[in-house]
Amino acid sequence: DTAVSQTPKYLVTQMGNDKSIKCEQNLGHDTMYWYKQDSKKFLKIMFSYNNKELIINETVPNRFSPKSPDKAHLNLHINSLELGDSAVYFCASSQTHTNEKLFFGSGTQLSVL
Amino acid sequence: DQQVKQNSPSLSVQEGRISILNCDYTNSMFDYFLWYKKYPAEGPTFLISISSIKDKNEDGRFTVFLNKSAKHLSLHIVPSQPGDSAVYFCASYVSGAGSYQLTFGKGTKLSVIP
Repeated sequence: DTAVSQTPKYLVTQMGNDKSIKCEQNLGHDTMYWYKQDSKKFLKIMFSYNNKELIINETVPNRFSPKSPDKAHLNLHINSLELGDSAVYFCASSQTHTNEKLFFGSGTQLSVL
Repeated sequence: DQQVKQNSPSLSVQEGRISILNCDYTNSMFDYFLWYKKYPAEGPTFLISISSIKDKNEDGRFTVFLNKSAKHLSLHIVPSQPGDSAVYFCASYVSGAGSYQLTFGKGTKLSVIP
């Protein structure tokens, strides 16, 4: 039973389209995250939600909008996709927002053509 | 601005020998350090961590050493096994900060040769 699951695993789309990535965790954790791994392999935090409240919002274009309907779900919606958005997006969760042990999903490889 | 640097993109080690993965950091405010391991097509998984009040933490075959004056940490794997072949990410954070977040390095790909 997967602890942090994200869908889809692969996403290929055209520039200008709008797409969403979904994430769910069944660990009962309070905090969820979106990380981006770009072509240079850096894993960078994008957003963090604690009990459905946004607590970290890094410098990310406002085309990216996270939504947390409940503390077990954190979805990422991306408007007007650009070539530079191509990356692997990882969802993660932790027990609390001060717990360093993150549990990651297996990633969504987004390719914008 | 790379606050966490893993200068070796890859490392090959013979099975049974020691693997040493290195990590340097520039932010002197970092006081907690972690290593994550990542297999292909999977997300990173937590491996081991160390607080800045310690200089060593051991968990089975894995030991992390911290040299605060040099702003350097290393992960030792002894003995190395083929199943250890993965990408290892070093990460750091500032505890007690208002918004907690990890800063990751680029990773080092370890290949353990049978």
